Amino acid sequence: NAGVMQNPRHLVRRRGQEARLRCSPMKGHSHVYWYRQLPEEGLKFMVYLQKENIIDESGMPKERFSAEFPKEGPSILRIQQVVRGDSAAYFCASSPTSGRGGNEQFFGPGTRLTVL
Amino acid sequence: QKEVEQDPGPLSVPEGAIVSLNCTYSNSAFQYFMWYRQYSRKGPELLMYTYSSGNKEDGRFTAQVDKSSKYISLFIRDSQPSDSATYLCAMNSGGYQKVTFGTGTKLQVIP
Repeated sequence: NAGVMQNPRHLVRRRGQEARLRCSPMKGHSHVYWYRQLPEEGLKFMVYLQKENIIDESGMPKERFSAEFPKEGPSILRIQQVVRGDSAAYFCASSPTSGRGGNEQFFGPGTRLTVL
Repeated sequence: QKEVEQDPGPLSVPEGAIVSLNCTYSNSAFQYFMWYRQYSRKGPELLMYTYSSGNKEDGRFTAQVDKSSKYISLFIRDSQPSDSATYLCAMNSGGYQKVTFGTGTKLQVIP
């Protein structure tokens, strides 16, 4: 039973380029969350998605960031025109379709984005 | 004031010691409390998951929640060098809501 998959594991971009991060949730999970972790800081919530729906994007920067979770395929976190401050580890988590009320979230290995 | 406060450490203990990790929080809506372990450059791994106040034990790990004090703890008995990692407390109000994390406590268990 594969866990949450993220790719790429490492991504290097120059300022102004686009970054696309992918996340495949665990089998049987239809809830996907994206978090960002800056060096020496905890994880900060960005966005919560279900298939074809954004449920909560209160943690997403207003510009340049977008996320989707299409009917088929992985969830995508897209960062346009990256800046050095976007350098961080981006983690995806997923929750079971039928939760126990509080939704355990299981994390992927993360994508480490470096902006030169 | 942050919603969740956690001492970043680092905390160094000898092998075999009992480790106590703690978090305080301010949002009384939090109902579900979790502890994650994160090794360097890896994703967080869910260790313990508890609902409301009380204790939960799993092997060498015990999680305690005191909602009246807005205080949660993780105890590790007979600590091992392999327990060396960053421990993140996390919580939410339930119902697939976003999780709010502490900043993590870095633990080192010395052989």
